[in-house]
Amino acid sequence: KAGVTQTPRYLIKTRGQQVTLSCSPISGHRSVSWYQQTPGQGLQFLFEYFSETQRNKGNFPGRFSGRQFSNSRSEMNVSTLELGDSALYLCASSPIGNEQFFGPGTRLTVL
Amino acid sequence: GENVGLHLPTLSVQEGDNSIINCAYSNSASDYFIWYKQESGKGPQFIIDIRSNMDKRQGQRVTVLLNKTVKHLSLQIAATQPGDSAVYFCASIHGGSNYKLTFGKGTLLTVNP
Repeated sequence: KAGVTQTPRYLIKTRGQQVTLSCSPISGHRSVSWYQQTPGQGLQFLFEYFSETQRNKGNFPGRFSGRQFSNSRSEMNVSTLELGDSALYLCASSPIGNEQFFGPGTRLTVL
Repeated sequence: GENVGLHLPTLSVQEGDNSIINCAYSNSASDYFIWYKQESGKGPQFIIDIRSNMDKRQGQRVTVLLNKTVKHLSLQIAATQPGDSAVYFCASIHGGSNYKLTFGKGTLLTVNP
């Protein structure tokens, strides 16, 4: 079974731009979660989607948004990028929520 | 608020030794705990989990111990190998959070040959 895939793997943007990251979960997994990983803050939960509905949300500003499609694929969007948004963005999928399988991440650099 | 933290940011061991990585959590409502391993350039990889109604669980070369009284979790790796070098995270879920994982900061384990 193929693992979680994330595209793109690397991305460079400038302040003020917006970005969309994509995640394809493991086949059959309906829950997709997003995390931001930085050296200073570690892994922080962004949001979780299940059957196209946002089921859980972390403490991030409204510039961070996401969605899930009927095939369980998910996207997250960050608008008006700030330097502090530079991070590794990780997607994890799960059949129901507990055991989460992570993708390799998208490394976002904001200049 | 929820907080899952680690006692030591780095741990260096000799190949063949046993490693112990510790983690403290603050939310007594946490009912499920997971240890993840993250190698450079990769996403976190599930190692082992334990539910709050257990105090010990063993896997292949790994053991997780849970002490709910002091809200402490540990990961023991037996006969540590160079391939075990990575950052290890503990994470917790509490029943009311709809599967939201709260992660600790991570411990960097370095195995010296």
